[in-house]
Amino acid sequence: AQSVTQPDIHITVSEGASLELRCNYSYGATPYLFWYVQSPGQGLQLLLKYFSGDTLVQGIKGFEAEFKRSQSSFNLRKPSVHWSDAAEYFCAVGLSGNTPLVFGKGTRLSVIA
Amino acid sequence: EAQVTQNPRYLITVTGKKLTVTCSQNMNHEYMSWYRQDPGLGLRQIYYSMNVEVTDKGDVPEGYKVSRKEKRNFPLILESPSPNQTSLYFCASSWGGTDTQYFGPGTRLTVL
Repeated sequence: AQSVTQPDIHITVSEGASLELRCNYSYGATPYLFWYVQSPGQGLQLLLKYFSGDTLVQGIKGFEAEFKRSQSSFNLRKPSVHWSDAAEYFCAVGLSGNTPLVFGKGTRLSVIA
Repeated sequence: EAQVTQNPRYLITVTGKKLTVTCSQNMNHEYMSWYRQDPGLGLRQIYYSMNVEVTDKGDVPEGYKVSRKEKRNFPLILESPSPNQTSLYFCASSWGGTDTQYFGPGTRLTVL
């Protein structure tokens, strides 16, 4: 069955430190890949997406993600975390057409001084 | 401003009392969907609609109904709410199922 796994439920990093959030998927073909962020009390906002081409994609707020086909992964990174990055992050995966997106269970990021 | 709106934002109700959560988008998107978010479970799709009068079940459709009579609106109906439907609900819209989804602000529903 198709699935999306975010292995880390909660991560705490210091402000200014680097960040990597993991996402692994299980699909028969290369899917469309997304990262969304949900700030407290807010809806979800798209950070970045990968459909094809360059496997390193840049997003908003200084985030980037790298698609690695061999590892079925799409990890999210940021070189220097800011306190305002504290939020919940969701990886989502879909196939072509109108197949609904499947979301991971999310990783909650806490940022400490 | 491009947006997805949901109403109400907060609702406390009792078991069995029918309710409707409205969702409206102003981006002329064809695809709309409803999700529920529960701690530890992430977002799960309830229903989606690829266009007017076209709806289909998502992963957790039991206890919910939807309709899509106009392109901009996609209401979620709970005919007989139960406590296990206490959750945070999000409406989203996009051009297609795998395009960027634009989310509403959420509706926090409590069923007593």
